Amino acid sequence: EVQLVESGGGFVQPGGSLRLSCAASEFTFSSYWMHWVRQVPGKGLVWISRINSDGSTTSYADSVKGRFTISRDNAKNTLYLQMNSLRAEDTAVYYCARVFAVYYFDYWGQGTLVTVSS
Amino acid sequence: QSALTQPASVSGSPGQSITISCTGTSSDVGSYNLVSWYQQHPGKAPKFIIYGGGKRPSGVSNRFSGSKSGNTASLTISGLQAEDEADYYCCSYAGSSTWVFGGGTKLTVL
Repeated sequence: EVQLVESGGGFVQPGGSLRLSCAASEFTFSSYWMHWVRQVPGKGLVWISRINSDGSTTSYADSVKGRFTISRDNAKNTLYLQMNSLRAEDTAVYYCARVFAVYYFDYWGQGTLVTVSS
Repeated sequence: QSALTQPASVSGSPGQSITISCTGTSSDVGSYNLVSWYQQHPGKAPKFIIYGGGKRPSGVSNRFSGSKSGNTASLTISGLQAEDEADYYCCSYAGSSTWVFGGGTKLTVL
């Protein structure tokens, strides 16, 4: 069964940085595009970033462009999200998700909570 | 990119059918037949249930169906069961390698 396990969440002050990881297993990670999606507790899902299979192309939501960087290490089967200049409004559960047929998200991790507060 | 518009809540009795709408614009839902739907139980990760407007991934019950007309996509759940009580989210490709989700709909099975 496909597994995606996020880690790296925690408490950080405004303006700080955090790097999230998503460890993938039970599928050929290097063949799949991947996404990050976040969810403020009690609120809806918000797409934030996508990376292609070899890491050569990325895209971001306007709300995080210039502050967040998505990357991957196919040798380690791991997806990353480097988050800089964090704001209170970045507080959310962050999910990684695998791409299906280019445009959909077929498997999701359980999420990691990021709290930005002073 | 503004979130797609979904009703905040819908409800139905066991055995009934319900439909959840998802309204976007000509830049997202209206431009692409690339809408998907996700079911999320409290404290759980989202589950992929519909794609391409109306296709079901392997293993998803045929009680779930989807459609699209113009700028609005719809999810229909027939033969409601207690286990269907969850939050439901639509998502559309929005061009330029970006995606947009709906605000979510809470389904209550009475």
